[in-house]
Amino acid sequence: DVKVTQSSRYLVKRTGEKVFLECVQDMDHENMFWYRQDPGLGLRLIYFSYDVKMKEKGDIPEGYSVSREKKERFSLILESASTNQTSMYLCASSKQGARETQYFGPGTRLLVL
Amino acid sequence: GDSVTQMEGPVTLSEEAFLTINCTYTATGYPSLFWYVQYPGEGLQLLLKATKADDKGSNKGFEATYRKETTSFHLEKGSVQVSDSAVYFCALKESGNTDKLIFGTGTRLQVFP
Repeated sequence: DVKVTQSSRYLVKRTGEKVFLECVQDMDHENMFWYRQDPGLGLRLIYFSYDVKMKEKGDIPEGYSVSREKKERFSLILESASTNQTSMYLCASSKQGARETQYFGPGTRLLVL
Repeated sequence: GDSVTQMEGPVTLSEEAFLTINCTYTATGYPSLFWYVQYPGEGLQLLLKATKADDKGSNKGFEATYRKETTSFHLEKGSVQVSDSAVYFCALKESGNTDKLIFGTGTRLQVFP
C-alpha cells in the first residue's frame, strides 16, 4: 500500500514563527503536492513538485515556500506564520500521468495564535 | 479554466436510503474524474475513478459514470450506512501534461440510524 506520512497531526504556533511541515512518501512517486483545506473552500493547491529540486506554484502560494531535496520528502515552509494560515494542510503524492491517482497523508491541523 | 461544481451539503439521510451527490465539471479536452472521501479526522482516500467517457467507477457499493454529454460524474449508492458519513470530494485531472487535481468544495453526508 502507498503510504504518505506527515510529521505532525496537530501544531500550535505563534504569529511570526517559522513553521516546517514535513511529508514523506514511500512509493517512489515523482509528484508531490501541498494543499490547504478550509471549510466551504475545499482543497486549494499551494505548491507542487514533479521532480527533485523542482517546484511550481499552485493557486495560493503567497506566504509559503517549499523544498524538495530528496524524492521521497516534500517540505512546506511558512516563513513567518500568520493567523490566516490557520488551516488543515494535506500532502499528496502520485506517479506521473493523467490517469494516476493522488494519495493523501492524514493531514496536519495548524493553529497560529 | 477547468472547474468542478458539487451540490451543497450537508446531505442528511436515514440508513438504507438511496444517495446521489451531484458533480458537474468544465474542462477542455478529456479529463480523468475522481471521487475522494474524507472520514472525520483523516486525510482523503480515493473512492473511485473513471478515465474516459462512459466509464463507470465503483467501490464499496458506490458508483459514478463519466457522462461527457452532460459533463457530469454523479456519485450514487443504493443503500447508505451510518459508516458512510463523511465528506465527499469530486475532482478532475486535466488531460495533457499536467498532473494537478482540481477539486470541488466537498459535500458532507450525514447518515442517521
